[in-house]
Amino acid sequence: DQQVKQNSPSLSVQEGRISILNCDYTNSMFDYFLWYKKYPAEGPTFLISISSIKDKNEDGRFTVFLNKSAKHLSLHIVPSQPGDSAVYFCAASARGGTSYGKLTFGQGTILTVHP
Amino acid sequence: KAGVTQTPRYLIKTRGQQVTLSCSPISGHRSVSWYQQTPGQGLQFLFEYFSETQRNKGNFPGRFSGRQFSNSRSEMNVSTLELGDSALYLCASQTGQEYNEQFFGPGTRLTVL
Repeated sequence: DQQVKQNSPSLSVQEGRISILNCDYTNSMFDYFLWYKKYPAEGPTFLISISSIKDKNEDGRFTVFLNKSAKHLSLHIVPSQPGDSAVYFCAASARGGTSYGKLTFGQGTILTVHP
Repeated sequence: KAGVTQTPRYLIKTRGQQVTLSCSPISGHRSVSWYQQTPGQGLQFLFEYFSETQRNKGNFPGRFSGRQFSNSRSEMNVSTLELGDSALYLCASQTGQEYNEQFFGPGTRLTVL
């Protein structure tokens, strides 16, 4: 049972335009969400996070939106740059107990930004 | 501040052998989590250690084990290796408090022949 889903395996965008990556979750206990970027043969790099008490968080070109009622979050990258081309993972966590130190990841979306 | 380091970066073993992977967290971080990444299953949580104690464990067989030392460095061990254990093993560190981002190391690529 996949609790975090990224339904788009890939996304292609022109440089300078907006990239929108989507993520859905099913576990209502999740209350903290993160986005990671990953290049081949490297570990994931943290990009941005959001807790369930917020619906938006911005950091430079990156904005994450959370819709709790729809159990949906999205990452917006504006403007997109060729260096943003990578695999993007959505991850979720819950509080304490059996959730200590555990992130549940989506399957990833390959973003390609064309010059 | 130095990032998370993992050794070795690459490893080739044969079925039936055992392997030990090492992870040094960011200075001051007391929590270390381990993940397995495979093409079919994606990133899967193995276990988490905090102050030398395993606080959480994922759904992996007992062949997968770990430990954490007093300096927060962690090791994971896989015994009786199977072909399906070929994967990228990632370690991540965080302060240990709730709602902290995890910072990942570069991973160890394990190939089982």
